[in-house]
Amino acid sequence: GDSVTQMEGPVTLSEEAFLTINCTYTATGYPSLFWYVQYPGEGLQLLLKATKADDKGSNKGFEATYRKETTSFHLEKGSVQVSDSAVYFCALVIAGANSKLTFGKGITLSVRP
Amino acid sequence: EPEVTQTPSHQVTQMGQEVILRCVPISNHLYFYWYRQILGQKVEFLVSFYNNEISEKSEIFDDQFSVERPDGSNFTLKIRSTKLEDSAMYFCASKEGANTEAFFGQGTRLTVV
Repeated sequence: GDSVTQMEGPVTLSEEAFLTINCTYTATGYPSLFWYVQYPGEGLQLLLKATKADDKGSNKGFEATYRKETTSFHLEKGSVQVSDSAVYFCALVIAGANSKLTFGKGITLSVRP
Repeated sequence: EPEVTQTPSHQVTQMGQEVILRCVPISNHLYFYWYRQILGQKVEFLVSFYNNEISEKSEIFDDQFSVERPDGSNFTLKIRSTKLEDSAMYFCASKEGANTEAFFGQGTRLTVV
């Protein structure tokens, strides 16, 4: 079946540090890939997405590139801020009527001033 | 900005009791979902709902679970006889079309004691 694997957490960084959160997937079809973020006390929000190989999704300084050859969608940010502290989820969808999301475990990022 | 709202934010119930988790999806959305996340584990798909019927359900969604859209506004998840292992964060999501972005609620934390 389809699955998403995220690196183990939590991750603690100093402000302005470089961030990489790894995500790899296995899928029976050709997935679209997503990063969702959950800020404290809030719901899951779409951070960025990519729908085909070599696409780069970007938002709020975060980027992720859809790498079909390595089945990966790693999240990066060049300079994190305290306000980036949240839980980050990698997910995939196989297009279709139901289009349910398959999530990774999530990783907690804490950024200290 | 329209949003998905879930109530209650936290519910504590005794084992064997029935619980109803409530969700108000975004008004023009047609596809509805429930997911759950047991503490420390992945966000898991439970069920999808479209055109007033279940379109897909996972193996987790057994006879103890049911969903309803009773009044065209609310979307509820009922657990008939809760078990300790039902303790989790439950997320509702909705989307406008089959291949559009899913919007999530803040979640309901269910604790079964």
